[in-house]
Amino acid sequence: GAVVSQHPSRVICKSGTSVKIECRSLDFQATTMFWYRQFPKQSLMLMATSNEGSKATYEQGVEKDKFLINHASLTLSTLTVTSAHPEDSSFYICSARVYGGKNTDTQYFGPGTRLTVL
Amino acid sequence: GESVGLHLPTLSVQEGDNSIINCAYSNSASDYFIWYKQESGKGPQFIIDIRSNMDKRQGQRVTVLLNKTVKHLSLQIAATQPGDSAVYFCAENLSGGYQKVTFGTGTKLQVIP
Repeated sequence: GAVVSQHPSRVICKSGTSVKIECRSLDFQATTMFWYRQFPKQSLMLMATSNEGSKATYEQGVEKDKFLINHASLTLSTLTVTSAHPEDSSFYICSARVYGGKNTDTQYFGPGTRLTVL
Repeated sequence: GESVGLHLPTLSVQEGDNSIINCAYSNSASDYFIWYKQESGKGPQFIIDIRSNMDKRQGQRVTVLLNKTVKHLSLQIAATQPGDSAVYFCAENLSGGYQKVTFGTGTKLQVIP
């Protein structure tokens, strides 16, 4: 149980284009989903917290107009990188917190999406 | 706060030996701690967690120790196997309410066959 998927797993795009990444909880409902970014040999950096039906909460230094987050249902959150530039190339990982489960503090992570901006 | 490092500390262990990975956390108010394993190109995988009202918790081949006095967390892996090779992150957060998980720098575990 508690499987989180991401799509696509890899994406290559041209500079200036927008890219959408989907995060789905496959066998549970998630009130809250989180988006992280990870650069090579570094730790995960939280970008934003996404709550179903409300606006995302962004971490300091993360541009909300550049990284658009939509959490339309209890099983789906999307991250759109708008007007992507090479410095946005990174490994983007989402996680989901179980809604109403026995342990609602555990986060389960998706497999990540490798974004390369040319 | 969040830890960022350009060079992951590396722990090399002989197959079959026990591994101990250490982590210092930053927020004395944190009451929930998790260890994650991340293999190359994949997302973090939950290993074991512990709450602040405990100082030790055991799983299958893994044990987490928590020392709140010095804000230190450790992960012990018994009889380390090649499949244990990965980067290990400790994470801290406040349970309930707005939950923000803060990840540590990470330690790369290399198992020598």
